[in-house]
Amino acid sequence: QKEVEQNSGPLSVPEGAIASLNCTYSDRGSQSFFWYRQYSGKSPELIMFIYSNGDKEDGRFTAQLNKASQYVSLLIRDSQPSDSATYLCAVNGGSYKLIFGSGTRLLVRP
Amino acid sequence: GAVVSQHPSWVICKSGTSVKIECRSLDFQATTMFWYRQFPKQSLMLMATSNEGSKATYEQGVEKDKFLINHASLTLSTLTVTSAHPEDSSFYICSNSGLAIDEQFFGPGTRLTVL
Repeated sequence: QKEVEQNSGPLSVPEGAIASLNCTYSDRGSQSFFWYRQYSGKSPELIMFIYSNGDKEDGRFTAQLNKASQYVSLLIRDSQPSDSATYLCAVNGGSYKLIFGSGTRLLVRP
Repeated sequence: GAVVSQHPSWVICKSGTSVKIECRSLDFQATTMFWYRQFPKQSLMLMATSNEGSKATYEQGVEKDKFLINHASLTLSTLTVTSAHPEDSSFYICSNSGLAIDEQFFGPGTRLTVL
């Protein structure tokens, strides 16, 4: 069974720090990887996607992918209290389906 | 990204009744849409893939006769929870795909409470 694992947290960081969120996946054949942010009571919103090994940067966010280690991470630089949310890692599970991790709750302390 | 709306945003119903949830793709013709369910403090679980003009594909363990999906047009998919019970109370979210089919954009969700 294909799985996506995340530490549930909460991960607590001070404002302005770098938050590092991690995700591992079981299916070595996975090709597409996504990070979603979900505020309490709201639906997920797409932050970034990454397909190739290495880093991909978008503003304060950097996604990192290591297919050999089956590992995806999301770095948030200059963390703000408004970044406090649950971050969901998702992996393409074949036939365009997404398999989600259980999410990591991030708390950014003012 | 693609804009998706859902209606209603929340609904409370009595046990045994049926509830219909609409999902609209506002700026993108979606041949494929997805329905998810999220219980409190849990992640999203895919229920079914809705295909325009054909039958939906259900995930293992999801009762197709209980969760009826209709995708009659390129902009509208509906999920009907038939004979709802308290254990069906959940956050139901639909999504459609962007230009990359596995890049999904989610609707705002429908919170269903069955009394």
